[in-house]
Amino acid sequence: AQSVTQLDSHVSVSEGTPVLLRCNYSSSYSPSLFWYVQHPNKGLQLLLKYTSAATLVKGINGFEAEFKKSETSFHLTKPSAHMSDAAEYFCVVSEESTDKLIFGTGTRLQVFP
Amino acid sequence: DGGITQSPKYLFRKEGQNVTLSCEQNLNHDAMYWYRQDPGQGLRLIYYSQIVNDFQKGDIAEGYSVSREKKESFPLTVTSAQKNPTAFYLCASSIIYRDYEQYFGPGTRLTVT
Repeated sequence: AQSVTQLDSHVSVSEGTPVLLRCNYSSSYSPSLFWYVQHPNKGLQLLLKYTSAATLVKGINGFEAEFKKSETSFHLTKPSAHMSDAAEYFCVVSEESTDKLIFGTGTRLQVFP
Repeated sequence: DGGITQSPKYLFRKEGQNVTLSCEQNLNHDAMYWYRQDPGQGLRLIYYSQIVNDFQKGDIAEGYSVSREKKESFPLTVTSAQKNPTAFYLCASSIIYRDYEQYFGPGTRLTVT
């Protein structure tokens, strides 16, 4: 069965410093992987997705993630945090043979001035 | 504007009352989904539908019901049998047999007292 683990429930950074949000997945096949962002009381917005093309995936707002099969990881990074990046981030894996998604429990990113 | 609309944004009900949450999409997507979000638990799938007049239970369907009479609409009813209905409810849609990306509505926050 597929699963996804977000290794940090909270991450705090200073504005202008790098962001790293960690995600490990478990899957017996080659999954699709996603990062979604959610601002308070809003819906989820897709940041980026991996679907077995390039292993380094670039997303919106300067975020990127690297698919590492050997480490079963899909960590999200950004070189320089902005105050507007403060939100909840979800790592998501597709379920085999269905159109369902499996969500991690989320990482709350705080950005300090 | 193409997208998913959910109404209302905030909903208050007394315990023991059924309540219906609206979800409409004009993206011409085949599949639609309902999720429940509680703090620290990520998103959990309630029901999903891949075609009109057909739907399947997700992981936490007890106490909920849905209908899919039109491709554009997927209303969710929270019944009095749902023991802890206060939560944030998110609707999503997707094109099936593609890369599994789901598009989310803005959510409805339901409070039952």
